[in-house]
Amino acid sequence: SQTIHQWPATLVQPVGSPLSLECTVEGTSNPNLYWYRQAAGRGLQLLFYSVGIGQISSEVPQNLSASRPQDRQFILSSKKLLLSDSGFYLCAWRGRGLRSDYEQYFGPGTRLTVT
Amino acid sequence: QQQVKQSPQSLIVQKGGISIINCAYENTAFDYFPWYQQFPGKGPALLIAIRPDVSEKKEGRFTISFNKSAKQFSLHIMDSQPGDSATYFCAAEPSGTYKYIFGTGTRLKVLA
Repeated sequence: SQTIHQWPATLVQPVGSPLSLECTVEGTSNPNLYWYRQAAGRGLQLLFYSVGIGQISSEVPQNLSASRPQDRQFILSSKKLLLSDSGFYLCAWRGRGLRSDYEQYFGPGTRLTVT
Repeated sequence: QQQVKQSPQSLIVQKGGISIINCAYENTAFDYFPWYQQFPGKGPALLIAIRPDVSEKKEGRFTISFNKSAKQFSLHIMDSQPGDSATYFCAAEPSGTYKYIFGTGTRLKVLA
């Protein structure tokens, strides 16, 4: 079965510090991968998605970047965090060539607080 | 910009009652309509989904109704239980995009 991991689970970082969040998927190959941000009590904002290694599409211009160095690894980064970067960051994956390949599955999330 | 409008923002239902959450979309070219359930501090979990060639889908106590002509779809939770208390998101996938557009969420509270 497929499993998605995110780490760290929680993170407190000062303004201006760098950021690196990691997401890995097990049990599938060549997935589509997604990064979302969820502000407190709010909806899901798609930040980046990737259909393959090195292929990143950005949805919202901002202080963040994403990379996909390996097939099942997706990384969210920032060089200098802003207070507005605080939120709940979710990684999701979607299979290809599967019967249910429209479905996205979310990871457990990373709670980021920028102080 | 394509949107999915979700209502109500919050909902309180008595145990055993029916919870109804509605979503409407503004573009006819959507391929898939999933619903997610999210508990505090957790990632959203896929609950049930429907394709536009089907008018209704039922899984246990959860039913999606889809009205293509009205561009609306809704989630019905029958015999609502306190354990159903969570935030529910509808979503829609524009054709050929491999991305979802999410609704703004409905916070459901089921009273014991």
